[in-house]
Amino acid sequence: KQEVTQIPAALSVPEGENLVLNCSFTDSAIYNLQWFRQDPGKGLTSLLLIQSSQREQTSGRLNASLDKSSGRSTLYIAASQPGDSATYLCALPSSNTGKLIFGQGTTLQVKP
Amino acid sequence: GAGVSQSPSNKVTEKGKDVELRCDPISGHTALYWYRQSLGQGLEFLIYFQGNSAPDKSGLPSDRFSAERTGGSVSTLTIQRTQQEDSAVYLCASSWLADTDTQYFGPGTRLTVL
Repeated sequence: KQEVTQIPAALSVPEGENLVLNCSFTDSAIYNLQWFRQDPGKGLTSLLLIQSSQREQTSGRLNASLDKSSGRSTLYIAASQPGDSATYLCALPSSNTGKLIFGQGTTLQVKP
Repeated sequence: GAGVSQSPSNKVTEKGKDVELRCDPISGHTALYWYRQSLGQGLEFLIYFQGNSAPDKSGLPSDRFSAERTGGSVSTLTIQRTQQEDSAVYLCASSWLADTDTQYFGPGTRLTVL
């Protein structure tokens, strides 16, 4: 059974700092891995999706990497801004049906 | 284009009442998912629809929960005889294909059972 863990649970950084969020999973036989952002009281916004054959994906200041052999993914945020404050979730499909298993999330606060 | 929409955004009900939650997926998306987000459990899968195939109901917590998807588009999640532990945010997501595509989430319905 796939289990997804995110560390740390919470993170507070000053504006402008580069940071890394971690996601680990127990079963390396994955289809893809998706990173989401959730603002308080809102739904999930998809940030990046990495297919199992890929090593990384980039979107603006965000870079997500995937290492299946070690069961890890990282989300790198460059030059963090207060607007980046949110909860970041990683998720993997449990099967080819795409139903996602989520980590518990990392709540990020970027202080001005 | 329009994203995934859900209604109502908030629902307060009394214990024992039935509730219906609605999801309008992105037009053309064949896969539709329901998830539940609660404080103690995080985000958990409930049910999955793909085209005209039988739904995957493996995540439904009890037989009080059911869902249908009409015409391959709109979906309704029904909770009968609501209990306080059903209080959560119910999220709907859709995607083009099931296993390789990004899932797009709606804003959710916050259900409070008094």
